[in-house]
Amino acid sequence: SQELEQSPQSLIVQEGKNLTINCTSSKTLYGLYWYKQKYGEGLIFLMMLQKGGEEKSHEKITAKLDEKKQQSSLHITASQPSHAGIYLCGADNTGNQFYFGTGTSLTVIP
Amino acid sequence: DAGVIQSPRHEVTEMGQEVTLRCKPISGHNSLFWYRQTMMRGLELLIYFNNNVPIDDSGMPEDRFSAKMPNASFSTLKIQPSEPRDSAVYFCASSLPSGNNEQFFGPGTRLTVL
Repeated sequence: SQELEQSPQSLIVQEGKNLTINCTSSKTLYGLYWYKQKYGEGLIFLMMLQKGGEEKSHEKITAKLDEKKQQSSLHITASQPSHAGIYLCGADNTGNQFYFGTGTSLTVIP
Repeated sequence: DAGVIQSPRHEVTEMGQEVTLRCKPISGHNSLFWYRQTMMRGLELLIYFNNNVPIDDSGMPEDRFSAKMPNASFSTLKIQPSEPRDSAVYFCASSLPSGNNEQFFGPGTRLTVL
C-alpha cells in the first residue's frame, strides 16, 4: 500500500514565525496535493504539484515538490492565527488511486 | 454554487441500526469520493465513482458498507448494521473531469454509533 508520512505531527508557533511541514512518499508520485482542514469542517484545496522541482505560492503559503517527486514541503511565512488547522498532503498514483497523509496540526499563538 | 452538500450533518444511532448518509456533488463534477476520518486512522478513501460507476471500492471496510450513485447528482453511503467502531466523520467530495483532480469537500457527517 502507498503511504504518505507527514512531519511534524503537530506544530505550535508564535504568530509571525515561519514554519515548514513535510510530506514524504516511498514511491514516485503522479500528483501531490495540499489541503487544509479547519477543525470540524471539510477540507479546502490549497495547491497541486505535478512536475519535479515545481514550486507554487498562494498568499503566504509556498509548496514545493522535489525533483524525484517523492517529497513535498509546505512553507508558511509570517504565520497568522488564520493559518491554524490541519494540513494534509494527498497524492494520486498513475492508477488514479487517491490517498492522504497523516496530517499536521498547526496552532498559531497570537 | 452551493458546493458539495451532505446530509445529515450529525447522526446518532444505536448499534445494529441502518445508517444512510447522503451526498449531492457539485453540478458538472463527474467524480465523487466517500472518505472516513477518525483520530486513529486519519482520512481514508472508502470508494469513488466516475460518471456514476464505482471505480475503486477497495477502501470499503466490510460488507456492511455499501455505496450507490443512481445519478450524477446524488450518492448514498449505507451502513447496515452499524457498529460503534463505525463512529467517525464521513466526507463526500467531488471533482471535475480535468487533469488536476482538485477535490471539493462537503462539510461531513459526524456519525456516532452507541
